[in-house]
Amino acid sequence: QKEVEQNSGPLSVPEGAIASLNCTYSDRGSQSFFWYRQYSGKSPELIMFIYSNGDKEDGRFTAQLNKASQYVSLLIRDSQPSDSATYLCAVSLGNEKLTFGTGTRLTIIP
Amino acid sequence: DTAVSQTPKYLVTQMGNDKSIKCEQNLGHDTMYWYKQDSKKFLKIMFSYNNKELIINETVPNRFSPKSPDKAHLNLHINSLELGDSAVYFCASSQGSAGSEKLFFGSGTQLSVL
Repeated sequence: QKEVEQNSGPLSVPEGAIASLNCTYSDRGSQSFFWYRQYSGKSPELIMFIYSNGDKEDGRFTAQLNKASQYVSLLIRDSQPSDSATYLCAVSLGNEKLTFGTGTRLTIIP
Repeated sequence: DTAVSQTPKYLVTQMGNDKSIKCEQNLGHDTMYWYKQDSKKFLKIMFSYNNKELIINETVPNRFSPKSPDKAHLNLHINSLELGDSAVYFCASSQGSAGSEKLFFGSGTQLSVL
């Protein structure tokens, strides 16, 4: 079983709709959860992080964490074509090692 | 001013050659990393240094040797390059540990081994 799993997609969402990206992780001791966005040919950039169960909102982005079920999700409201990218889920036990999923490729259809 | 800069951006070389990738950060961060991203976008940590000290050394062949002359620089030297080494290599830095702090990535080095 992979440590961090994501559906590779591609996930296609109409412009203006909600994009929902999911991630599951295997280590129950995981403490920190991150979402990085990576445009094609570019480097990853952090867009959200969450440490506690529940929801965390930042603009159009909401991260949701459920430690009992070992999943973390990212919702993007009012999706824009500029949101088209690969979204990488990353999980840490709280130390230097950050484990990434394989990413979900998201395409927003105008 | 680029926060994390790595050179070269592209590296095309023959099997068996030795090559180096350089990385510098001007953010004043204590921790630097090398990540490898394969063709399927899987990003995997290779090494982590904190203030010039090796913290993480994942199961990477010993043909890969990182060197940190000071906390602002982390270079990667690769001996006897193999076809399977073809990937994008990202340097990154963070103020504290990657597990609790934002990672700042360099623009990547696309390595192609022929």
